[in-house]
Amino acid sequence: NAGVTQTPKFQVLKTGQSMTLQCAQDMNHNSMYWYRQDPGMGLRLIYYSASEGTTDKGEVPNGYNVSRLNKREFSLRLESAAPSQTSVYFCASSLKKTSGGHNEQFFGPGTRLTVL
Amino acid sequence: DAKTTQPPSMDCAEGRAANLPCNHSTISGNEYVYWYRQIHSQGPQYIIHGLKNNETNEMASLIITEDRKSSTLILPHATLRDTAVYYCIVRPYFGNEKLTFGTGTRLTIIP
Repeated sequence: NAGVTQTPKFQVLKTGQSMTLQCAQDMNHNSMYWYRQDPGMGLRLIYYSASEGTTDKGEVPNGYNVSRLNKREFSLRLESAAPSQTSVYFCASSLKKTSGGHNEQFFGPGTRLTVL
Repeated sequence: DAKTTQPPSMDCAEGRAANLPCNHSTISGNEYVYWYRQIHSQGPQYIIHGLKNNETNEMASLIITEDRKSSTLILPHATLRDTAVYYCIVRPYFGNEKLTFGTGTRLTIIP
């Protein structure tokens, strides 16, 4: 099992350009997440998807859109990149149980994005 | 969700036990304490979690005080590979599965 994979690993954009960050998981998880991490900071949730076909905003959604393409894939799109979006982006997935309880998130290796 | 407070940094000698404290004084009865770590800008990795009892797994032990207002993560025999940022996170048992990361504790293992 590859776990959570992210592409690309690195990307440099110019202000105003658009791009899509891809994330896929092979663990049959129902929930998926996008976080960003700025230097010296903890991770902040951008968007999450509790199941295929549903998405919800997290703490810092402005400037981003997401698509839960199917159960495996969850993409993050920057329509018009800004220097403030320079960050490391992490995708994660988890198996949410309706009965509650333990829910471990598995993280991908990250995408390092620089916006000039 | 309850907020957590952790020291920004700690050092520990290799081979010794590393004890990382976390304060979560506003935790409610249905909230777990979770610990994750992040090694050198990799994606965070789950370590352990607990509700009110002490827990142990192959990576670490978690000691939660009786009033549940604080906890300590113990790495029993720290190695250089344990150098990382450690995050203490509180999340509800039901419903909200989102994790709220603070700035964590940067643990440095000294050879």
